[in-house]
Amino acid sequence: NAGVTQTPKFQVLKTGQSMTLQCAQDMNHEYMSWYRQDPGMGLRLIHYSVGAGITDQGEVPNGYNVSRSTTEDFPLRLLSAAPSQTSVYFCASSYSFSSGNTIYFGEGSWLTVV
Amino acid sequence: AQSVTQLGSHVSVSEGALVLLRCNYSSSVPPYLFWYVQYPNQGLQLLLKYTSAATLVKGINGFEAEFKKSETSFHLTKPSAHMSDAAEYFCAVSENEAGTASKLTFGTGTRLQVTL
Repeated sequence: NAGVTQTPKFQVLKTGQSMTLQCAQDMNHEYMSWYRQDPGMGLRLIHYSVGAGITDQGEVPNGYNVSRSTTEDFPLRLLSAAPSQTSVYFCASSYSFSSGNTIYFGEGSWLTVV
Repeated sequence: AQSVTQLGSHVSVSEGALVLLRCNYSSSVPPYLFWYVQYPNQGLQLLLKYTSAATLVKGINGFEAEFKKSETSFHLTKPSAHMSDAAEYFCAVSENEAGTASKLTFGTGTRLQVTL
């Protein structure tokens, strides 16, 4: 019963380095998304996908790329990390992209950019 | 556009006391509303959601929330707090519009402390 799995859980990057946060779900969910959580700001949507091959921007997409080649996986790429990207990142998925469906969250990835 | 305001970033109650966490929303279309709980170093877990059926919604762990359109509120309550309720609680809104992909907008969270 894995649900939404994120890796790595903790990562320290130097400014300018690139990395990919991995996200996988085993529930055959259509909808997947990435949020970042910062102190005092709640969670903010970065990118989302309504199905394989379809992605779109959320509220704070700058500095991040995504792709959805399979239903199961939705990696988040930081091409050139900046200290402002220090945050906790959550991947989430839902059976359907429709707004009323329950969204399930992974356990988070803590990223520090120095 | 949609937004959520959670009044009180920290709330402290005694064990056995009423829990009341406040949430007000703004949405240009009828909303879906959610309460999530986050325990330390963990992801978010859904407590309950309003999807335009009954206005009083019951969730897990004894929590419930009432949708009040006239007050644009969706406050979370629990009659008797337990030590295990200590966590951070997030209210979120998503617009109820056919064919629109879900985009949750979260409040800034309320940290609930439960004391003996």
